[in-house]
Amino acid sequence: AQSVTQLGSHVSVSEGALVLLRCNYSSSVPPYLFWYVQYPNQGLQLLLKYTTGATLVKGINGFEAEFKKSETSFHLTKPSAHMSDAAEYFCAVIPGSYKLIFGSGTRLLVRP
Amino acid sequence: DTGVSQNPRHKITKRGQNVTFRCDPISEHNRLYWYRQTLGQGPEFLTYFQNEAQLEKSRLLSDRFSAERPKGSFSTLEIQRTEQGDSAMYLCASSLPPGGLSTDTQYFGPGTRLTVL
Repeated sequence: AQSVTQLGSHVSVSEGALVLLRCNYSSSVPPYLFWYVQYPNQGLQLLLKYTTGATLVKGINGFEAEFKKSETSFHLTKPSAHMSDAAEYFCAVIPGSYKLIFGSGTRLLVRP
Repeated sequence: DTGVSQNPRHKITKRGQNVTFRCDPISEHNRLYWYRQTLGQGPEFLTYFQNEAQLEKSRLLSDRFSAERPKGSFSTLEIQRTEQGDSAMYLCASSLPPGGLSTDTQYFGPGTRLTVL
């Protein structure tokens, strides 16, 4: 069965520090991979996606993620955290069809 | 592009009552999805429409749940005889079919938060 594992339900960083949110997936077929962000009491906003081609994907708000097939990973990074980045982040996979399978999420806390 | 809209944003109901939620997708998006998100979890797939046809239903969608998409535009999700376990955020998403060897990108609405007392 396809699944997504996000390591760390909570990640805390200082403002200006590197953000690293981890995501590993299992899929029996080449996956399509996504990162979404959710602010309190709001829906999900797409940050970035990997379909084919370049394995380093750039998204909105300075975020990027790298698809590493050998490690089955799709970690999300941002060089310098901003207070406005505080939110819940979800990694998701579409394992060949149309249905998104989400991880359980990582809450990012940004300390001033 | 006005985005995906959902109504109501919040619904509080008593156990045993019926509730109905509405989703208006982005215009011209012929694919529509419903997901459910419980506290502290990621969203889980419930059902999928292509135009007016409901093509897949999750096992999470018990007999008390029904979804429709008449005329392939807006969609409704009805829960009959609500239970406390139905309390969750119900999210709707829409997309266009992908071009070439790719997948569609799903755009989400703000969700309807259901509380069953």
